[in-house]
This record gives sequence, structure tokens and C-alpha cells, in this order.
Amino acid sequence: SQQGEEDPQALSIQEGENATMNCSYKTSINNLQWYRQNSGRGLVHLILIRSNEREKHSGRLRVTLDTSKKSSSLLITASRAADTASYFCATDANDYKLSFGAGTTVTVRA
Amino acid sequence: KAGVTQTPRYLIKTRGQQVTLSCSPISGHRSVSWYQQTPGQGLQFLFEYFSETQRNKGNFPGRFSGRQFSNSRSEMNVSTLELGDSALYLCASDRGARNTGELFFGEGSRLTVL
Repeated sequence: SQQGEEDPQALSIQEGENATMNCSYKTSINNLQWYRQNSGRGLVHLILIRSNEREKHSGRLRVTLDTSKKSSSLLITASRAADTASYFCATDANDYKLSFGAGTTVTVRA
Repeated sequence: KAGVTQTPRYLIKTRGQQVTLSCSPISGHRSVSWYQQTPGQGLQFLFEYFSETQRNKGNFPGRFSGRQFSNSRSEMNVSTLELGDSALYLCASDRGARNTGELFFGEGSRLTVL
């Protein structure tokens, strides 16, 4: 079973626009992470936010975490064609595993 | 620094056969995790090993097994293959601290069961 649910399932935007995706989870967590996957390849870690943090930035990425609502959002600003990929949130509940959401497929149109 | 290496990258098997997949973690990483990715079920956790000990196991039948060697390399085995075992099997490593930090994933082994 999956811990996280992501919304939307798919997103299509124009190059230069911002992309926002959301993740909801069910249990208490130690941290929440976001990963990117290009078609059929391995996952690449983007950013980790701890349960006592509310917002984190990394380059064009901004992540927020609301533990009271058990939700997180990932914002990609000024999107590029290279941002076309699937994005997954993953939660760590301190049990030596990550539980992944279903993912959001982002298509950036030139 | 070399990344996580998974072999083989692609393989085709028939129902009833067994398969062994291999994963070499990043040098210095002592934890190895395995995930199954399918279009229908998404990314599902299989198991995690640290210093040759399984610390957690996902909800998969006993046909799925794994092990870790003293050099941190890991293998997973699936016996009596079923059509539904067709998937991308991903291995990931990290330093193995108490909490799960950033995972480094390999490119995966794509298994097709005919």
C-alpha cells in the first residue's frame, strides 16, 4: 500500500511557467522527500524536508510541509523542457523504508 | 564516485522460472533497499538490508527474497515467476543511519515475464 497520494496525476505546462504538485500522507513522519524519475529510469533525489521544518528551497525548487494537514507541496519555478519527468513524494516513518506516492507526471511544452 | 550499479538491466523470463538481480551500492553505503515499480501499483517497498541484516520487509509473498553480503552488495531473488512479477526492480543505497535520508537509486532491472 502507498503512504502518499499525489495531486494532480498529470500536469502539462508551458516552458517558463511554474509547476505545483501536492502530496498527502497518512501517518506521522520523520521526513518527506521528493524524487524525480525520467522515463523508465532510476529515481533522483531532489529535496528532503524534516518534520520540524515548514519550508525549504533548493535552486528552482520550493517545498512546503504541513504536518497538521499531513501534506506537502513541490513548486518548480521557471520550468524547462528538461523538467519533463515524473515526480514522487516519499515519506520516512522511521522504519527503514520510504513509502512513495503514485507520482505526478509533468510535461513541459516548448 | 561510482553510483549504484544494478545488473542485469533487462531480462526476459518465462512463468515458473526464477531470477536473481544484483545491486552494488555506492562505496561506503551500508544500507541497500529494493523497490518494485509497476504501472498499476507504483513503487512498492520490498526489503532493506544493513550490515547483512534485514531491517524491514514489505508485503510481498515468500517467493521474493534477498540478502546482503559483507561488502554491502545485495541480491534479490524471485522464484516461481508469475506474469504479475513483470516490473522495474530498483535498488537504492544510503549510509544506513538510523533514519532514512536521501536514497541513491540505480537505473533498475527491467524484468519481463512471459
